[in-house]
Amino acid sequence: GENVEQHPSTLSVQEGDSAVIKCTYSDSASNYFPWYKQELGKRPQLIIDIRSNVGEKKDQRIAVTLNKTAKHFSLHITETQPEDSAVYFCAATSSGNTPLVFGKGTRLSVIA
Amino acid sequence: SQTIHQWPATLVQPVGSPLSLECTVEGTSNPNLYWYRQAAGRGLQLLFYSVGIGQISSEVPQNLSASRPQDRQFILSSKKLLLSDSGFYLCAWSWTGRTTEAFFGQGTRLTVV
Repeated sequence: GENVEQHPSTLSVQEGDSAVIKCTYSDSASNYFPWYKQELGKRPQLIIDIRSNVGEKKDQRIAVTLNKTAKHFSLHITETQPEDSAVYFCAATSSGNTPLVFGKGTRLSVIA
Repeated sequence: SQTIHQWPATLVQPVGSPLSLECTVEGTSNPNLYWYRQAAGRGLQLLFYSVGIGQISSEVPQNLSASRPQDRQFILSSKKLLLSDSGFYLCAWSWTGRTTEAFFGQGTRLTVV
């Protein structure tokens, strides 16, 4: 089955700097890669996703890149703000009836 | 629009007591349903998923069971809780047959004492 590795487990950045979180997956059939943000005590919520037919996707300060050959994808947050502090999860799946497999999460702290 | 309801929000139970957590989805039919557990400061562990009524797949052998008595209802149960069952339990749903995101409920924080 699918296995998703996520790095780093914790990340601290100064406000205004960029943050990058990286994930690798094992199943070459995986074709959908969402990223979730989970604030303390809250539910995970989707912030951006990418499909295997696209190499990059951007939404304001957030971007995701995908390298199918290397089987890795990354989340990029630019101009970080204190409210970006949260745990971020990457995930992967290959079909509609196959559950998302999540990475172990990255705790991002943005220091003002 | 679709909504997911999960209750209770918090629960404190003694070791050896039973457990029942309920999740319902509104505004869609035949959703895929999931139970995840998140231990303190840890990742999202998939416990069970269901693609239809009475169809339950278990991902991890454990002290828990799941049932789907109705199309949009998913129940997580235990006959006797262990201390290690403490955690944040999240129900989620996704569109059947479509490769899309999963939508999470608000979660239940379970503390076994």
